Amino acid sequence: DIQMTQSPSSVSASVGDNVTITCRASQGISSSLAWYQQKPGKAPKLLMYSASNLQGGVPSRFSGSGSGTEFTLTINSLQPEDFAFYFCQQGDTFPLTFGAGTKVEIK
Amino acid sequence: EVQVVESGGDLVQPGGSLRLSCVGSGFTLSSYNMNWVRQAPGKGLEWVSYSRGSGSTMYFADSVKGRFTVSRDNAKNSLYLQMNRLRAEDTAVYYCGRNMMGPDDCIDVWGKGTTVTVSS
Repeated sequence: DIQMTQSPSSVSASVGDNVTITCRASQGISSSLAWYQQKPGKAPKLLMYSASNLQGGVPSRFSGSGSGTEFTLTINSLQPEDFAFYFCQQGDTFPLTFGAGTKVEIK
Repeated sequence: EVQVVESGGDLVQPGGSLRLSCVGSGFTLSSYNMNWVRQAPGKGLEWVSYSRGSGSTMYFADSVKGRFTVSRDNAKNSLYLQMNRLRAEDTAVYYCGRNMMGPDDCIDVWGKGTTVTVSS
């Protein structure tokens, strides 16, 4: 199985800060990577797919990059509604696997 | 509006069985590959199963292989997860998710989830 290692596990930031989350795959997955946002008690929401494609309706302050084994999700100018958990997921090979998640919390 | 709604979660004893349902609206479920993903209390996301739109191909996580099966009822625009020989570690919120059409397997539509608790 492909292991997805996400870092950091948590980050404290202020409104207006830029935040970068990294996801590393245990083997190459081309650009088959998705990012999700999850708020407490809610279902995950797709933010990015194919590493760098913004899902419809997602603000442009979210961006993704990477290919192969190293990927990043960047949130520019953090907004109050962005404080949440973020998960990466590889879509290259079954079983689909998720990173352990990153909690973005208010400093 | 495109959405999926899960139901069927309950408290069940270890070794018991449960069937979860997922009803799609705003789209034809049989045209899409579908997933089940679960989240244990306070934990991350764990993919459970994948079912091709045709129903011909299914994949399961090793943790549930041989115990869980997936079926579809196209007339009801529904997907089901039959869970047998349940264990305490199957306790989780179970999400039904529509696989995005495209080269990658990711989930673009999620239900709100249904809670399964396995306990005596």
